[in-house]
Amino acid sequence: GAVVSQHPSWVICKSGTSVKIECRSLDFQATTMFWYRQFPKQSLMLMATSNEGSKATYEQGVEKDKFLINHASLTLSTLTVTSAHPEDSSFYICSARGTSERNEQFFGPGTRLTVL
Amino acid sequence: GQNIDQPTEMTATEGAIVQINCTYQTSGFNGLFWYQQHAGEAPTFLSYNVLDGLEEKGRFSSFLSRSKGYSYLLLKELQMKDSASYLCAVMDSNYQLIWGAGTKLIIKP
Repeated sequence: GAVVSQHPSWVICKSGTSVKIECRSLDFQATTMFWYRQFPKQSLMLMATSNEGSKATYEQGVEKDKFLINHASLTLSTLTVTSAHPEDSSFYICSARGTSERNEQFFGPGTRLTVL
Repeated sequence: GQNIDQPTEMTATEGAIVQINCTYQTSGFNGLFWYQQHAGEAPTFLSYNVLDGLEEKGRFSSFLSRSKGYSYLLLKELQMKDSASYLCAVMDSNYQLIWGAGTKLIIKP
C-alpha cells in the first residue's frame, strides 16, 4: 500500500512554544490530506481537511489560528500548533488520500505531542 | 446527524472467532472501512466494502448490508497480536470518513 510518513514521531515542548509536524506521502500524490487528534482511549477526531494549494477546512470547534495547516504540495502538509499548552498534548495523526477508486486514506504513524 | 455505532469492548479467546458489529447512519454512502489500531499507533487499513456481501482476506472477513446500514468484521483463529482497537468508518457523500469510537478487542490465552 501507499506510504505516509510523519515527522517528528514525538515531541516534548514547553508551554507557549510552537510545534510543526510534517506529513508526507512518499510514493503517491495526495490530493487531500487530513489531520486528526486522538486523546487516550478515545476515537479519532478530525481536525481539518486540506486540499493542495487551497486553504484548509476546519471542523467545528478547532481554532484555525491555533492549528495552522499548510498543504503546499501534493506530497507535503504541515500542522503547526501555535503557542502550545498542556491541553494540546495529544496524539496527532495525518492521513492522505490520492486518486484511488475507493478513496482510501493512508495514515501516517502519528506524532505524540507533550506540552509541559 | 451522522452516527456510527460499535461495541466499546469485546473479549475473546485465542484461537476462537469473534465478530465485531458496526451500524451506521450517514448522509450518503461511498464505502465502509475497517481499520486496526494498536495502542499508541496509527490505524492500519484492514478492509473496504462498497457492495453488499462478504469480503474475505485471510483470517479477516468483512460483511456489508447497505439496506440495513450494517457491517461486521469477522476475525478467525484469533492470535494474541490481534488485541487492538478496531475502527469502523463510513465514507459519506462528501467523501469524508465518519469514524466510530472503536471496539477494543481483548484476547485471552
